[in-house]
Amino acid sequence: GAVVSQHPSWVICKSGTSVKIECRSLDFQATTMFWYRQFPKQSLMLMATSNEGSKATYEQGVEKDKFLINHASLTLSTLTVTSAHPEDSSFYICSASQQGWDTEAFFGQGTRLTVV
Amino acid sequence: AQRVTQPEKLLSVFKGAPVELKCNYSYSGSPELFWYVQYSRQRLQLLLRHISRESIKGFTADLNKGETSFHLKKPFAQEEDSAMYYCALSGSAGNMLTFGGGTRLMVKP
Repeated sequence: GAVVSQHPSWVICKSGTSVKIECRSLDFQATTMFWYRQFPKQSLMLMATSNEGSKATYEQGVEKDKFLINHASLTLSTLTVTSAHPEDSSFYICSASQQGWDTEAFFGQGTRLTVV
Repeated sequence: AQRVTQPEKLLSVFKGAPVELKCNYSYSGSPELFWYVQYSRQRLQLLLRHISRESIKGFTADLNKGETSFHLKKPFAQEEDSAMYYCALSGSAGNMLTFGGGTRLMVKP
């Protein structure tokens, strides 16, 4: 199957700083990328959907100014957590799919963010 | 709104026993249902989807619209089936997924 690479796998940052997480599709062009987060002992929750070249669509309750998503190319989407706080500590996972609603979504390995 | 419920957080069975991981959903339209699996220290990956109606690694799942369920079954569990299983739903607006809470399957020798 296709490979989606997510970097970094884990990051620890100080409160108030910003953190960027990258999601790359290595062997296919991803017209759509999705960002999920998972709190401890909870399920994956969709944060936003990004389409290459356009603004991301955020789910209700997700602050677009805090979680900046950029999908500038067909192989790269980034999620920047701005002015991170301890409550932003979570597991963030991206998935990418090719064009078409019926295509499979492939997942990155996830990023564990800890804000201290 | 779409919602996926996996009532069991943990399911423990012995090797060779039948397995059923429950999944119920709510969605007003025609959903597409998936099962994803995450083995230890590996990424989430697709196990099966209801539209393909295929059996992967001996697992099957039938969409029951009357009961709004998509339970995952395997007649004889293997130790290598031990993993975290997520049921997920996709509506008609692209393949954004709504996940259930996940069920950890432990297959004991």
